[in-house]
Amino acid sequence: NAGVMQNPRHLVRRRGQEARLRCSPMKGHSHVYWYRQLPEEGLKFMVYLQKENIIDESGMPKERFSAEFPKEGPSILRIQQVVRGDSAAYFCASGDTYEQYFGPGTRLTVT
Amino acid sequence: AQSVSQHNHHVILSEAASLELGCNYSYGGTVNLFWYVQYPGQHLQLLLKYFSGDPLVKGIKGFEAEFIKSKFSFNLRKPSVQWSDTAEYFCAGNSNSGYALNFGKGTSLLVTP
Repeated sequence: NAGVMQNPRHLVRRRGQEARLRCSPMKGHSHVYWYRQLPEEGLKFMVYLQKENIIDESGMPKERFSAEFPKEGPSILRIQQVVRGDSAAYFCASGDTYEQYFGPGTRLTVT
Repeated sequence: AQSVSQHNHHVILSEAASLELGCNYSYGGTVNLFWYVQYPGQHLQLLLKYFSGDPLVKGIKGFEAEFIKSKFSFNLRKPSVQWSDTAEYFCAGNSNSGYALNFGKGTSLLVTP
C-alpha cells in the first residue's frame, strides 16, 4: 500500500538555479496539496491541484513558483531562480477535506 | 482569519508522565481539527481527527483529544508517555467549505527514560 511519494528527499541548489520537486499521490487519489515548512514554523498551504487543473494557488508566492499536475505522471512544484529564503521542507499531501495523507517531504537547501 | 495556535513549543517529560499539548483555533462556523505527529526522519502521520459528534476523540497509540467549543481548544492528551513518543506534534484545522489545512507551529516533545 504505497503512500504519498516525494522525491528527491534532499535537494541542494545554488542561488539562481531551478528546483523541481515531485509528488505522486496515493493510489486512487486525484487531488494533491503542497505545503511549505520554514524553520521554526508550521506548515503553510501553498497550492491545491487536481489532474490538469490548479484549484487554488492562494498560498503560492507570486513570482518564481509554479505547480502542475499533468494527466500522466507526478505533480511538480517548480521554483525558478532559487534564493536562500526558499530553503525549507516542502510537503505534498493527497486526500480531501477530511483526511490528507502526507509524503515524507523534500528538504531544499539553497547555498 | 482562520488559524490554529499551539502553546508549547518544546516539552520534556519523563517516561510514564502524563501529556497535554495545547491547541487553540480561530474559525468562524464549522471546523475540522486534526493532530499530526512527525517522528524523527519520518513523514507526518495522522493521530486523530474531529469533525462533529462526541467531543472526546480517541486516536492511535493511546492518544486522545477533547474539542471544547467554549474554549476554542482541541488539546492532545496521553496518560502515560513512552520514549517512543518523542516526536514533533502538529495541530491543524480546516473548515467544511475549505480543504487547506492551517497548522500550528508544532510542539517538540522529548521523552526521557
